[in-house]
Amino acid sequence: QVTLRESGPALVKPTQTLTLTCTFSGFSLSTSGMCVSWIRQPPGKALEWLARIDWDDDKYYSTSLKTRLTISKDTSKNQVVLTMTNMDPVDTATYYCARVAYCSGGSPEDYWGQGTLVTVSS
Amino acid sequence: EIVLTQSPDFQSVTPKEKVTITCRASQSIGSSLHWYQQKPDQSPKLLIKYASQSISGVPSRFSGSGSGTDFTLTINSLEAEDAATYYCHQSSSLRGTFGQGTKLEIK
Repeated sequence: QVTLRESGPALVKPTQTLTLTCTFSGFSLSTSGMCVSWIRQPPGKALEWLARIDWDDDKYYSTSLKTRLTISKDTSKNQVVLTMTNMDPVDTATYYCARVAYCSGGSPEDYWGQGTLVTVSS
Repeated sequence: EIVLTQSPDFQSVTPKEKVTITCRASQSIGSSLHWYQQKPDQSPKLLIKYASQSISGVPSRFSGSGSGTDFTLTINSLEAEDAATYYCHQSSSLRGTFGQGTKLEIK
């Protein structure tokens, strides 16, 4: 059974760095073709793809946010970490992590976490 | 970056009606287009992958078509539980993108 769960602070101050952890089970990021993505959704707005890390440690970032994002993995802990620097109130959103089972073949994100709401406010 | 544009943004429909949502890509993406359903306070749920491939457990009234730049999600004989926002998503490029969403209201 595949599950993913996001964790991190619910509230961050402007200019701070956000660190989110995705802890997953039911698959391994050391398996060829496996990847994990991060997606966010501001309240009442659309989904926005942020970043992806592949089984071979290749990393991809949203063009508009790439200077602020870092994605990494700890295969032994079944975790993926996303950091976002210089947080702003417009970054207030629910942040999701999701699995991609065959990213080199263009597979979609098939399993998603429940999401974690991050509010940016002083 | 590949931009996905959905239409309409909002649609109010009656049960048993047939619904069509379109998604247009800013450049050709082959069949690497997927559809999600999101209900309030829930995570997105994958409905259709690779433009037209069905997903296990998804009702057969949901279907998809298209390739290249123009894609369609069709819901036949709409049910009340289909009230949700629907998103298209492309995985053709190494950086995924989503459409702006189509909110479906059931009258």
